[in-house]
Amino acid sequence: AQKITQTQPGMFVQEKEAVTLDCTYDTSDPSYGLFWYKQPSSGEMIFLIYQGSYDQQNATEGRYSLNFQKARKSANLVISASQLGDSAMYFCAMREGYTYAGGTSYGKLTFGQGTILTVHP
Amino acid sequence: NAGVTQTPKFQVLKTGQSMTLQCAQDMNHNSMYWYRQDPGMGLRLIYYSASEGTTDKGEVPNGYNVSRLNKREFSLRLESAAPSQTSVYFCASSVWTVGNTIYFGEGSWLTVV
Repeated sequence: AQKITQTQPGMFVQEKEAVTLDCTYDTSDPSYGLFWYKQPSSGEMIFLIYQGSYDQQNATEGRYSLNFQKARKSANLVISASQLGDSAMYFCAMREGYTYAGGTSYGKLTFGQGTILTVHP
Repeated sequence: NAGVTQTPKFQVLKTGQSMTLQCAQDMNHNSMYWYRQDPGMGLRLIYYSASEGTTDKGEVPNGYNVSRLNKREFSLRLESAAPSQTSVYFCASSVWTVGNTIYFGEGSWLTVV
């Protein structure tokens, strides 16, 4: 079963408008983290924003905000005032705890399929 | 401020050849990872190392081996390359608390012909 689902293969937005990129997740672990990464055409992975499962408030980082609805298991990314430079692939990812021989740790970011955002002038 | 450095950046291999992708991080992170990204898709975990001395399989480990040489370095080896292994490979590292992000290298573009 998919742990992270991004249902929008592509999204278009007009410059200066806001856009929401959808992400739903599946986990039974009470402690987890949700991340959004941006991947421009140059290929690097750029961290945008993080939301912890116990955080009471939605995360915000500049023009990025995360609409966290825990009961619905959704973590949508909202980009306000879109810019041409926002055109890129966007990935939602989740980090869960896991147990290994040495103890318990957190790692293994699991990624969604991504959403390609195109900003029109 | 190097962060995560992986080499080589580009490589073309013939089917059956072997090669090693090198990765090093200078952030004193415990955990390191190798992901692959196929065209138009998300990243899939190949192997990870929670700490020095441990390695575990991820989602797509077949055809790969890894070595956590020390805390800084984590290498990925393709013993007998296949065209299906044509992909972009990302090395990453992090500390091991859930709230910390994972930092990625710039990627290695591998083509197997």
